[in-house]
Amino acid sequence: SYVLTQPPSVSVSPGQTASITCSGDKLGNKYVYWYQQKPGQSPLLVIYEDRKRPSGIPERFSGSNSGNTATLTISGTQAMDEADYSCQTWDNITPVIFGGGTKLTVL
Amino acid sequence: EVQLEESGGGSIHRGGSLRLSCAASGFTFRNYWMHWVRQGPGKGLVWVARINTDGSGTNYADAVKGRFTISRDNAKNTLYLQMDNLRGEDTAMYYCAREDFYSGNSLDPWGQGTLVTVSS
Repeated sequence: SYVLTQPPSVSVSPGQTASITCSGDKLGNKYVYWYQQKPGQSPLLVIYEDRKRPSGIPERFSGSNSGNTATLTISGTQAMDEADYSCQTWDNITPVIFGGGTKLTVL
Repeated sequence: EVQLEESGGGSIHRGGSLRLSCAASGFTFRNYWMHWVRQGPGKGLVWVARINTDGSGTNYADAVKGRFTISRDNAKNTLYLQMDNLRGEDTAMYYCAREDFYSGNSLDPWGQGTLVTVSS
C-alpha cells in the first residue's frame, strides 16, 4: 500500500520559516492535504490540493508538491503554530493515506 | 455552523462490541461522503472507513475489514460505526469527518472525537 513519510519532529525559532516535508512515490502526481492538530483538539485543515488555503487560515501557511516530496511551509512562525502536522493523500487501494505526523516545536 | 459531534465511546473488553455515532448539523448531510479516522495514544492519524452519500458504497481499512461496519441515517443526519470483535489495537480516539468537495475532497471539518479503550 502507498506510504507517506514525514520527519517525526521539526524545530523553528519564532519569526523564522518552518518547512515540514512529506514524501511518497511520485507524490507530485497526487494532491496533498495538510492538517494541524494541537494538543487535545481535533485536526484542522490548513492546506488542500497541494497549495490552497481554506478561509480563515493565515497567509503564512503555504504548500508545494513536486516529484516525490510535498512541503508545508510556515513563514514567520508564531508560538501558536506549535502543533502536530499531518499530510494526507488519496490512493486507489486504501482511499485515504496519512503520513505519520510531524511535531513542530517553536522555541 | 458546520458541526460534527461523536458519541458512544467508552471502555470495553476485548471481543466486545460498541457503536459510535456522529451527529451532523449545519450542512446538508445527505450530499456528502463521510469518513471515520482514528488516532491511537501518541500515534498518528489512521483512516478507518468511508461511506458514500446514500450508504450504498463503503470502504474499509484492512485492519478493520470484517469487524467494523460504517452506516448512515440521512433522515437523522447521523453517521455510525459498528465495531465488533474489538481488539487492544483498536484503542484510539475516533473522529468522524466530512469529505468536502468544495475544498478538493479534503476531510473537513472533523468532530471532537470519542475515545474507545479496549482492555483485556
